[in-house]
Amino acid sequence: DTGVSQDPRHKITKRGQNVTFRCDPISEHNRLYWYRQTLGQGPEFLTYFQNEAQLEKSRLLSDRFSAERPKGSFSTLEIQRTEQGDSAMYLCASSLVGGSAGGQNEQFFGPGTRLTVL
Amino acid sequence: GEDVEQSLFLSVREGDSSVINCTYTDSSSTYLYWYKQEPGAGLQLLTYIFSNMDMKQDQRLTVLLNKKDKHLSLRIADTQTGDSAIYFCAETPHSSASKIIFGSGTRLSIRP
Repeated sequence: DTGVSQDPRHKITKRGQNVTFRCDPISEHNRLYWYRQTLGQGPEFLTYFQNEAQLEKSRLLSDRFSAERPKGSFSTLEIQRTEQGDSAMYLCASSLVGGSAGGQNEQFFGPGTRLTVL
Repeated sequence: GEDVEQSLFLSVREGDSSVINCTYTDSSSTYLYWYKQEPGAGLQLLTYIFSNMDMKQDQRLTVLLNKKDKHLSLRIADTQTGDSAIYFCAETPHSSASKIIFGSGTRLSIRP
């Protein structure tokens, strides 16, 4: 396993269009996270899954955003009716929690999908 | 509240030590982290410290935690050009054992 992968790496879309991003976590990891990073800022938490269950959502995640992890493996993040303010880098991370993993919840990040909304 | 603050820029001479500072607001944070982000690359966890520790050393990296002042620092000894990157301080807040709250990042540049 080479780490967390995200697809596409770049997406340019027009305002009002829908976009979907995919994240493939490290295979044995049970948690998957989505973050958003704008220029000059640190990543901001959006949501996370434990296996297929979505357990926490940030107030940043408006009703235009939806995330799924149907089989507890890969995840998709969809943004409907995109707005220029949605332009950002969308980061996915995964971690292994429980068992012998330790409590530090080390999250491994993917390279991100850069979204530009024109 | 949950907030992490750090200075935006740091410039050091090659071979000197770099010290990046961070303050946080959640006194009940469990873990604190330092991440590194290089252009075009993903975030890489450099090191972390549990909240009941004062110091952690890992090769050229030394993390100091002052819980009373809610201050975290990262010292990089013998700074090299390959250390040029943005360094993010981050915490796991007490309110959620899962998400990580990041600072805005400190851009470290190395002078020859």
